[in-house]
Amino acid sequence: DQQVKQNSPSLSVQEGRISILNCDYTNSMFDYFLWYKKYPAEGPTFLISISSIKDKNEDGRFTVFLNKSAKHLSLHIVPSQPGDSAVYFCAASDPNAGNMLTFGGGTRLMVKP
Amino acid sequence: DVKVTQSSRYLVKRTGEKVFLECVQDMDHENMFWYRQDPGLGLRLIYFSYDVKMKEKGDIPEGYSVSREKKERFSLILESASTNQTSMYLCASNRGNSNQPQHFGDGTRLSIL
Repeated sequence: DQQVKQNSPSLSVQEGRISILNCDYTNSMFDYFLWYKKYPAEGPTFLISISSIKDKNEDGRFTVFLNKSAKHLSLHIVPSQPGDSAVYFCAASDPNAGNMLTFGGGTRLMVKP
Repeated sequence: DVKVTQSSRYLVKRTGEKVFLECVQDMDHENMFWYRQDPGLGLRLIYFSYDVKMKEKGDIPEGYSVSREKKERFSLILESASTNQTSMYLCASNRGNSNQPQHFGDGTRLSIL
């Protein structure tokens, strides 16, 4: 059973609007969460992360929110740009498993000009 | 800047062949990882290594083996390739014992005919 789930396989937004990508997890031992972005024919690149002791982390246009009680995190992109069109993966780290990452299935974001 | 290099971008092999996928990183990272990426399933960990000659099974090690003879190089071996091993293979590395983000190569798209 997948411990990290991204329930929306795709998302389409208009340029300039907000993109919200969601991720749910089941393992309460996860203590660190990351978002990766992947363009076709390239490897994933790290975007932003958050520790379980925080509920928000912001980096420019990207903000990650963590709701531990709901076991839910989200990535907000404001304003969205066409260059943000990519597949986004959330990942979670379990300190009891050597900080190995468990990835969600990914969400394809399309930002329309 | 961290560089993770995978030897082939595209590879076509036949069922039953022994296949080698090579990965080299240039940042003296202790940890190296092999994932496969399949639509809707995200990235799934095949094997990882904490140090030279060390290896640990990930979530889906069946049909694969690995070799880490030097710190900078991590090889994935398909002992007898099968069609269900057609996939995108991604190598990654990071510093040992930390939540430092993993750095990925550009991937090898492997087709088994």
